[in-house]
Amino acid sequence: EVQLVESGGGLVQPGGSLRVSCEASGFPFSSYWMSWVRQAPGKGLEWVASIREDESETNYVGSVKGRFTIARDNAKNSLYLQMNSLRAEDSATYYCARANGVAVYDYWGRGTLVTV
Amino acid sequence: QSALTQPPSTSGSPGQSVTISCTGSSSDVGSYNYVSWYQQHPGKAPKLMIYEVNKRPSGVPDRFSGSKSGNTASLTVSGLQAEDEADYYCSSYSGGNVFGGGTKLTVL
Repeated sequence: EVQLVESGGGLVQPGGSLRVSCEASGFPFSSYWMSWVRQAPGKGLEWVASIREDESETNYVGSVKGRFTIARDNAKNSLYLQMNSLRAEDSATYYCARANGVAVYDYWGRGTLVTV
Repeated sequence: QSALTQPPSTSGSPGQSVTISCTGSSSDVGSYNYVSWYQQHPGKAPKLMIYEVNKRPSGVPDRFSGSKSGNTASLTVSGLQAEDEADYYCSSYSGGNVFGGGTKLTVL
């Protein structure tokens, strides 16, 4: 069974940093692109970042470029999002999602809440 | 990247059909057959319902169907059931990935 479990969310001051993590199981993690998608309270979904299977390519939404870094550790089946210079508008539930195809997210975690 | 445009809400009675539109541009929906639809119940993670415009993942009822014309994609839910009441989001490849603002489907 595919499982994605996020952790690391919490309350942080504006300008601060936070790293959220996602532990994957039930599938060959190193064979899939992975992504972070966020959802502000009561708002819609917003794609944040994606990373290639071997970390050779990363993509970001414009509003987080230069502030957020997506990374992965295939040996640990883990995905990370390092968030620096956090702003109030970054407050959201951050979901880890498996990409299966172009911009297709077939499995999602339950999310971790970040409040700035 | 501007969000795709969806109606905020729609509704239908059990057994009826509803269609949710998703309007983008020539930079996203109009240029790629990489449109997906997600269902989200309150407090839950999104669930993939349609991908690549009109393909259904295993386990998704065939009451759900997708289509696209020009810069607008659509999700049709036929034979509405109470459990279909949820928020629905469209998504398109755009170089990155862009989502719609979501549509709340109410089953009357």
